Amino acid sequence: GAGVSQSPSNKVTEKGKDVELRCDPISGHTALYWYRQSLGQGLEFLIYFQGNSAPDKSGLPSDRFSAERTGGSVSTLTIQRTQQEDSAVYLCASSHTWDQPQHFGDGTRLSIL
Amino acid sequence: GIQVEQSPPDLILQEGANSTLRCNFSDSVNNLQWFHQNPWGQLINLFYIPSGTKQNGRLSATTVATERYSLLYISSSQTTDSGVYFCAVELTTGGFKTIFGAGTRLFVKA
Repeated sequence: GAGVSQSPSNKVTEKGKDVELRCDPISGHTALYWYRQSLGQGLEFLIYFQGNSAPDKSGLPSDRFSAERTGGSVSTLTIQRTQQEDSAVYLCASSHTWDQPQHFGDGTRLSIL
Repeated sequence: GIQVEQSPPDLILQEGANSTLRCNFSDSVNNLQWFHQNPWGQLINLFYIPSGTKQNGRLSATTVATERYSLLYISSSQTTDSGVYFCAVELTTGGFKTIFGAGTRLFVKA
């Protein structure tokens, strides 16, 4: 079946603008994860959803970041008042349940001018 | 917080050679996964291995949870094995988190 789908694949925006990133997980996967990867770096965990619920939001870098998941499927990561340090690849993964292998999308490359 | 250390940071192999990548973690974890990030940035799940040994073709992995390390073995390396290998541990204490190591960057020469 289809893998994890992320959109847009690339986003260039001006500092101060808001951006919304979308993740469509593999059908039937109840767990969904967001990560950030800065250039040449490892992955930074942002948030985990089990169903529509995100029990722990402490991984989000600042209060400009928010995420939601509705209907137990699609998730959106929103960054308000973007800053240049927000430039990175934002990756989404999903798994059947939290204790199953994670499968990643191709990511959204975000560039803040 | 928990530390996840991978070694070596960089590795150059001649095609056909074998290698062992290591992942050490500083505290008990619920799960451990190995990923390969290819030169185009795609992340592929290689193994889900909280303990024990698994094999998939030329790759195998062993996790000794009681001693807090995992090993990834690559045999008869190929140029397509090039990329970055990450281990990632999952914690549920104090909320769910996945912590990635910094990765081992592998280049296989033809």
